[in-house]
Amino acid sequence: GAVVSQHPSWVICKSGTSVKIECRSLDFQATTMFWYRQFPKQSLMLMATSNEGSKATYEQGVEKDKFLINHASLTLSTLTVTSAHPEDSSFYICSARASGAGGYTFGSGTRLTVV
Amino acid sequence: QKEVEQDPGPLSVPEGAIVSLNCTYSNSAFQYFMWYRQYSRKGPELLMYTYSSGNKEDGRFTAQVDKSSKYISLFIRDSQPSDSATYLCAMSPDIQGAQKLVFGQGTRLTINP
Repeated sequence: GAVVSQHPSWVICKSGTSVKIECRSLDFQATTMFWYRQFPKQSLMLMATSNEGSKATYEQGVEKDKFLINHASLTLSTLTVTSAHPEDSSFYICSARASGAGGYTFGSGTRLTVV
Repeated sequence: QKEVEQDPGPLSVPEGAIVSLNCTYSNSAFQYFMWYRQYSRKGPELLMYTYSSGNKEDGRFTAQVDKSSKYISLFIRDSQPSDSATYLCAMSPDIQGAQKLVFGQGTRLTINP
């Protein structure tokens, strides 16, 4: 089945630094990937849609200059949290859908803690 | 009113019980319906996927879609402690290209041994 690999699974960083999260489709090509944020005991909140070879589409209220998305190849999308602050601490998850697949596959998530 | 409504629970049942999880929605354009299971600190795992109305069974899991009532269900038979997780319903009008999923709030389920 379709596999989405996300790395790192957890990261701690200092305020003001930047953190990059990688999302890879291991056995399929993904022209579109999605990035979500999830707070404890809440559902997934879509942040942006990542499009291979073009700019990402951000949801309303999401700062595109803070959450930089790069989708440079058909198997890799990255989310960079720039100048991180404690309020950016959250669980970030990516997803993609393999062509012909019945549903969307999610990565294992990245727990970001900003101290 | 949210586009997709799901009772957040928590729901606690004894091992072996039949569990019923439900979502209602308001957008009649939704055609694709999914159920995901999410363990703590993990990404969601696709359990069931259905298109349009009808039933689908996979092992102990059965998904039902009633588009006339805008109501979907997931049944878990012979529930096990390992089924304890948060269950999320998700749906979309289409699954091509950049089509986004709309999620329910998730139901926290605990199966007690």
